[in-house]
Amino acid sequence: EAQVTQNPRYLITVTGKKLTVTCSQNMNHEYMSWYRQDPGLGLRQIYYSMNVEVTDKGDVPEGYKVSRKEKRNFPLILESPSPNQTSLYFCASSLQRPPGNTIYFGEGSWLTVV
Amino acid sequence: AQKVTQAQTEISVVEKEDVTLDCVYETRDTTYYLFWYKQPPSGELVFLIRRNSFDEQNEISGRYSWNFQKSTSSFNFTITASQVVDSAVYFCALILNTNAGKSTFGDGTTLTVKP
Repeated sequence: EAQVTQNPRYLITVTGKKLTVTCSQNMNHEYMSWYRQDPGLGLRQIYYSMNVEVTDKGDVPEGYKVSRKEKRNFPLILESPSPNQTSLYFCASSLQRPPGNTIYFGEGSWLTVV
Repeated sequence: AQKVTQAQTEISVVEKEDVTLDCVYETRDTTYYLFWYKQPPSGELVFLIRRNSFDEQNEISGRYSWNFQKSTSSFNFTITASQVVDSAVYFCALILNTNAGKSTFGDGTTLTVKP
């Protein structure tokens, strides 16, 4: 089954404790992206990757890091989480450049930083 | 800079009513794609439609229809004979062909369909 898998789905952590949210897709997609969703603000793009070793900033990259060492994985790293990073996070992928291809989203990861 | 505006924050209708969700976008590019996604209470994002800027034909899929008008930079979504299961947050999104990595979403419209 084609899917984008995120882990963990739910996490409560403390300020400053490094954490990684993993994202994996089994569709051999070149493009992957991370978004955060906050009440009333829709989805805002954090980082995206057009292919292995190619990453770029979205609209809200501050406080986040990503890496794309292999095609199927695109982890989101919070080096020193802060309460303003409490949010719902979505990972997404598409076969190639998104416009001509459907974007598939993971189920979301609820992150709370206290 | 690109922008997507969904002016309707919340809409509430009674079952079987028709409802239109508005989406207005801003871009100077001539080639771009517009999307609609549905987010039901369970939280996942469900792809509904993709439309490129060169295709202004309206589209109908069952009870769903989309009206794309470049002249007014709008890509509105209509649900005919709404049902309770249509209750969700609906997002409109824009991706430029020149910067295909970046996507811009509207803030979403929360639709509540009451029985």
